[in-house]
Amino acid sequence: GQNIDQPTEMTATEGAIVQINCTYQTSGFNGLFWYQQHAGEAPTFLSYNVLDGLEEKGRFSSFLSRSKGYSYLLLKELQMKDSASYLCALSTGDYKLSFGAGTTVTVRA
Amino acid sequence: IAGITQAPTSQILAAGRRMTLRCTQDMRHNAMYWYRQDLGLGLRLIHYSNTAGTTGKGEVPDGYSVSRANTDDFPLTLASAVPSQTSVYFCASSDSPGGANVLTFGAGSRLTVL
Repeated sequence: GQNIDQPTEMTATEGAIVQINCTYQTSGFNGLFWYQQHAGEAPTFLSYNVLDGLEEKGRFSSFLSRSKGYSYLLLKELQMKDSASYLCALSTGDYKLSFGAGTTVTVRA
Repeated sequence: IAGITQAPTSQILAAGRRMTLRCTQDMRHNAMYWYRQDLGLGLRLIHYSNTAGTTGKGEVPDGYSVSRANTDDFPLTLASAVPSQTSVYFCASSDSPGGANVLTFGAGSRLTVL
């Protein structure tokens, strides 16, 4: 099985940077995903890491260290519309996705 | 617009009743999934299908059944609903069950069992 841990809530100011950490334990690894979910809406794909290192996509970056069972999602130049839940998800040996409970980010003006 | 359609959007159901949540995709994706989302627990996989004609059990399959008669449709049935099945249900699909398995989600079905 797998265990995925991420903080429940984070608050940051508009224009700032926020880093959401995700730690995991798994017996099989085929990649780590980050999804964004606005309140009352469906999750949408943000990023995918399968190799160690940083993947940058505009204001969002995601980092992976497989040896440490650790990933983070970095959100830069925060905007009000970034207020949402961010879900860390693990693709395991059978390629199915297991999700963490999500981190709710609130951006204040 | 290509994507996933779920129905109903919301439903209140008496305990013991049978309920089918419908899911249809028009992207010709091979794999489809049903998740439930509960506060503090995140998304949990109920059942999945890697291709038409095959299904498998996820993390929390008890009390639910699925079928995959064709590529597009993946209905989820609650044979006899119980209050613990009150949740938001998301259907998802992906082009391939392996590799960079990016899921596309439907808008969700909110089910309340009384």
